[in-house]
Amino acid sequence: AIQLTQSPSSLSASVGDRVTITCRASQGISSALAWYQQKPGKAPKLLIYDASSLESGVPSRFSGSGSGTDFTLTISSLQPEDFATYYCQQFNSYPFSFTFGPGTKVDIK
Amino acid sequence: EVQLVESGGGLVQPGGSLRLSCAASGFTFSSYEMNWVRQAPGKGLEWVSYISSSGSTIYYADSVKGRFTISRDNAKNSLYLQMNSLRAEDTAVYYCARDFPGQDLWYFDLWGRGTLVTVSS
Repeated sequence: AIQLTQSPSSLSASVGDRVTITCRASQGISSALAWYQQKPGKAPKLLIYDASSLESGVPSRFSGSGSGTDFTLTISSLQPEDFATYYCQQFNSYPFSFTFGPGTKVDIK
Repeated sequence: EVQLVESGGGLVQPGGSLRLSCAASGFTFSSYEMNWVRQAPGKGLEWVSYISSSGSTIYYADSVKGRFTISRDNAKNSLYLQMNSLRAEDTAVYYCARDFPGQDLWYFDLWGRGTLVTVSS
């Protein structure tokens, strides 16, 4: 099955900073990748699907890019409510399974 | 309101059983594929099981195959996870998650708040 890695595993940033998180797939997956945000004690929230499509209701400061094996989530201007852990996710058709990246924790500098 | 609400978690001894439920509301449950995803304390997300909208197609992660059974009752707008032969490593928050609508869109667009399962003697 295809594996996902994320970098960095954690980062410290300030409000207003531009933040970039990378997800790498062990094999090419076209654009079939999603990004989720999870805050402590809460369920994950879908931010981006199909690598670059913004989920309804998600602020436009979030954007996604990439295809094949390398993907990026960018927060253009970090807001206080954006401090959270971010996960990428993809789907394996054979064997049928869903894979998440290990997560990137974004905290306050 | 569109939502998923899990229940049934708790403390169980190793080797024991537990049945989780997920109640759906605010959308046509019978039209959606559903999943269970878990998260061990302080760890990342792990997909557990998938069920098609009709219930005719089911898949499991290798870590739970043969021990867990997913099912659904579309008349009751409910999803279930029967967990048998529980192990300490099954300790986690269990989320039910809805598949993103649309063909070949394998993402989770709606999540419940989760229910905690603790396996310990």
